[in-house]
Amino acid sequence: ETGVTQSPTHLIKTRGQQVTLRCSSQSGHNTVSWYQQALGQGPQFIFQYYREEENGRGNFPPRFSGLQFPNYSSELNVNALELDDSALYLCASSLMQGRETQYFGPGTRLLVL
Amino acid sequence: DQQVKQNSPSLSVQEGRISILNCDYTNSMFDYFLWYKKYPAEGPTFLISISSIKDKNEDGRFTVFLNKSAKHLSLHIVPSQPGDSAVYFCAASPDSNYQLIWGAGTKLIIKP
Repeated sequence: ETGVTQSPTHLIKTRGQQVTLRCSSQSGHNTVSWYQQALGQGPQFIFQYYREEENGRGNFPPRFSGLQFPNYSSELNVNALELDDSALYLCASSLMQGRETQYFGPGTRLLVL
Repeated sequence: DQQVKQNSPSLSVQEGRISILNCDYTNSMFDYFLWYKKYPAEGPTFLISISSIKDKNEDGRFTVFLNKSAKHLSLHIVPSQPGDSAVYFCAASPDSNYQLIWGAGTKLIIKP
């Protein structure tokens, strides 16, 4: 059974650019959640996808968008990058929506210059 | 507006002794609480959870206590082991949805 994987591990972008981060769910999991973790803070919920539909969204602007594919892998897209978008982006998968345990990937470290 | 607060950025404990990590919350709608552990360069790993209908949940060396009237929960680790050195996050979920609201974390250092 493979765990949650994320790519790339590190990324450097400049302000105004667009970025796509990828996540492969743990085998059998149909729900993916994305979090942003700024330095010295806890993760902040961005959104959750359940069976390819957005199933809840945190306090993030529309330039943060996502997709979930039929194989339940997922992408996080961020347009018009700002310096404050520099953070660790974590993906978590779970067996189903609801209070199921979330399994996290190692994250993608994004630096916006 | 921090709804989940971990006021101790770090905690140092002797190996074999008890580690107590604290967490306070402000939102009375939270009814489910979790602790996660995070090692450097890894994602958070689920440790233990507790529902608001309980005041204690135990799993091996880990026990979580919930005091609803004080809006406070704590994680007890006994005995503490070197492998417990990590950052511990408290997270809470309201009954209306499944979003997790996280604290800023406490770095636990177990001294040999």
